[in-house]
Amino acid sequence: GENVEQHPSTLSVQEGDSAVIKCTYSDSASNYFPWYKQELGKGPQLIIDIRSNVGEKKDQRIAVTLNKTAKHFSLHITETQPEDSAVYFCAAFDGTSYGKLTFGQGTILTVHP
Amino acid sequence: SAVISQKPSRDICQRGTSLTIQCQVDSQVTMMFWYRQQPGQSLTLIATANQGSEATYESGFVIDKFPISRPNLTFSTLTVSNMSPEDSSIYLCSVWGTGDAGELFFGEGSRLTVL
Repeated sequence: GENVEQHPSTLSVQEGDSAVIKCTYSDSASNYFPWYKQELGKGPQLIIDIRSNVGEKKDQRIAVTLNKTAKHFSLHITETQPEDSAVYFCAAFDGTSYGKLTFGQGTILTVHP
Repeated sequence: SAVISQKPSRDICQRGTSLTIQCQVDSQVTMMFWYRQQPGQSLTLIATANQGSEATYESGFVIDKFPISRPNLTFSTLTVSNMSPEDSSIYLCSVWGTGDAGELFFGEGSRLTVL
């Protein structure tokens, strides 16, 4: 089955800096890669996603890149703000088992004012 | 995206008891799922809640421990049976989006602590 590795497990940045979180996946059949933000006491919120036919996608301060050959994808947050502090999860979907996402282990992002 | 409401939001339970978590969606959805998030861990799919038939469980999860109901296209329940401290987790209801997008959306979760 699919295996998703996520790094780093914790990331601390100063407000205004950029943050990058990286994930690798094992199943070459995976074709959809969402990113979730989970704030304390809340459920995961979908913030951006990318499909295998696209190499990069951007939404304001966040962007995601995908390298299918290397089987890795990354989340980039620019101009970080304290409210970006949360746990971020990457995930992969193999295109067949609807609803079944394989999640990375999560990254605790702390943005210091 | 659908609005997903879960009850209870949190509870403290005694060992050996059972608790039922409810999930209500504001629109009809074909596919509903239950995930578990153990403390400080990632998310793991427990089962797919099928309307009109038995739930489909992932490896490591069984119906006797996690019975699921799906009486209609907007509602599902997950029961955590005969609880032990190892069942202390966040239990999340989720739905698969309709249309071409196909994203997975989560409720706020039900945080269970078993003493």
